[in-house]
Amino acid sequence: NAGVTQTPKFQVLKTGQSMTLQCAQDMNHEYMSWYRQDPGMGLRLIHYSVGAGITDQGEVPNGYNVSRSTTEDFPLRLLSAAPSQTSVYFCASSLTISQNEQFFGPGTRLTVL
Amino acid sequence: AQSVTQPDIHITVSEGASLELRCNYSYGATPYLFWYVQSPGQGLQLLLKYFSGDTLVQGIKGFEAEFKRSQSSFNLRKPSVHWSDAAEYFCAVGGRQGGKLIFGQGTELSVKP
Repeated sequence: NAGVTQTPKFQVLKTGQSMTLQCAQDMNHEYMSWYRQDPGMGLRLIHYSVGAGITDQGEVPNGYNVSRSTTEDFPLRLLSAAPSQTSVYFCASSLTISQNEQFFGPGTRLTVL
Repeated sequence: AQSVTQPDIHITVSEGASLELRCNYSYGATPYLFWYVQSPGQGLQLLLKYFSGDTLVQGIKGFEAEFKRSQSSFNLRKPSVHWSDAAEYFCAVGGRQGGKLIFGQGTELSVKP
């Protein structure tokens, strides 16, 4: 199993550009989520999904969109990038929503100029 | 409000010395509790978890943690630190109904030779 994979590893954007961060898991996990990690703030939940076709907002959803068309994939879209979105983004998954042991991807480091 | 506090932002210990990283939480009920470790440039790896039962839990890499309900704490310990333990450590809590994890701010551990 590859586990949770994320692409790209690094990305530099200009203010106003859009892009999609990719996340995939091959463990048949129902629950997937996106976090952002900023210095001194730990990880904050952006969006999550409890299954294909179902998504919901986390703590810091503004400026981000998600969709879950398949069990395996959970892309995160930045509609119009802002410098405040400079961060490291982690995707995570767990078997079910009630199984809290989450497996994390390696992260995407995003810089918005 | 639900929250996790890791009082120590940065700790330095000598190789071979013992280690204790503090974690306090505020939660409406007894949560699930986790410790994750993040090596530089890497994703998060689960060290150990507490769901129920014995309040002293063993994890990987020689780490253990003790759940103290009366103190709302879940401190991480290791009797003898190795240079390879240098990393950032995150405490997290999750509800027994599942889903979202709430992370602390993280504690960065440095190990002196």
